[in-house]
Amino acid sequence: EVQLVESGGGLVQPGGSLRLSCAASGFTFSSSWIIWVRQAPGKGPEWVASINQDGSEKYYVDSVKGRFAISRDNAEKSVYLQMHSLGAEDAAVYYCARDIGHFVCDIWGQGIMVTVSS
Amino acid sequence: QSALTQPRSVSGSPGQSVTISCTGTSRNVGYYDYVSWYRQLPGKAPKLVIYDVTKRPSGVPDRFSGSKSGNTASLTISGLQADDEADYYCCSFGTQDVFGTGTTVTVL
Repeated sequence: EVQLVESGGGLVQPGGSLRLSCAASGFTFSSSWIIWVRQAPGKGPEWVASINQDGSEKYYVDSVKGRFAISRDNAEKSVYLQMHSLGAEDAAVYYCARDIGHFVCDIWGQGIMVTVSS
Repeated sequence: QSALTQPRSVSGSPGQSVTISCTGTSRNVGYYDYVSWYRQLPGKAPKLVIYDVTKRPSGVPDRFSGSKSGNTASLTISGLQADDEADYYCCSFGTQDVFGTGTTVTVL
């Protein structure tokens, strides 16, 4: 089955860190750009980060630059989002998705909640 | 404020057509033919319904169509059905504000 499955979310204190994982199956993962998108409650989606097939290109939305790091392990068919210095503005459901070109995302995970609260 | 502006809501009766606009700038929507549209149900991930302005992924009914004129892209849903009720987001290459503000489609 073609799917992406996120894990690693949960409750974190302000200023804390969290690492999200996105596990792929059913398609050629090593040939795929993967992106992270988040959606705060009641808000629209927001692109967070992208990584190319071999991890040599990484892009971030300005609001997370220097705090978040995207990486991948093609042997494990997984993409990761390491998040530091988390604030209330980072609380959201985080989705990973396959980007087949220019933000055309045809496969999405189910999403994972990140809550930032003391 | 997103770079891509959509009406907050549109509505129509079953069988009618509705059109959702997505207004960007000459640096994103107006420059690239890389506008896509996503449909989202509450608590679910977005689902691709249109890409590259006019193309439909396999499995998406031809009632869904896309177009673009200048800095504005549009999604038209023809023959509106009850299960078309959802939030719809445009998405454009060329801006960090990748996604539009979102439009809720209501079937009356």
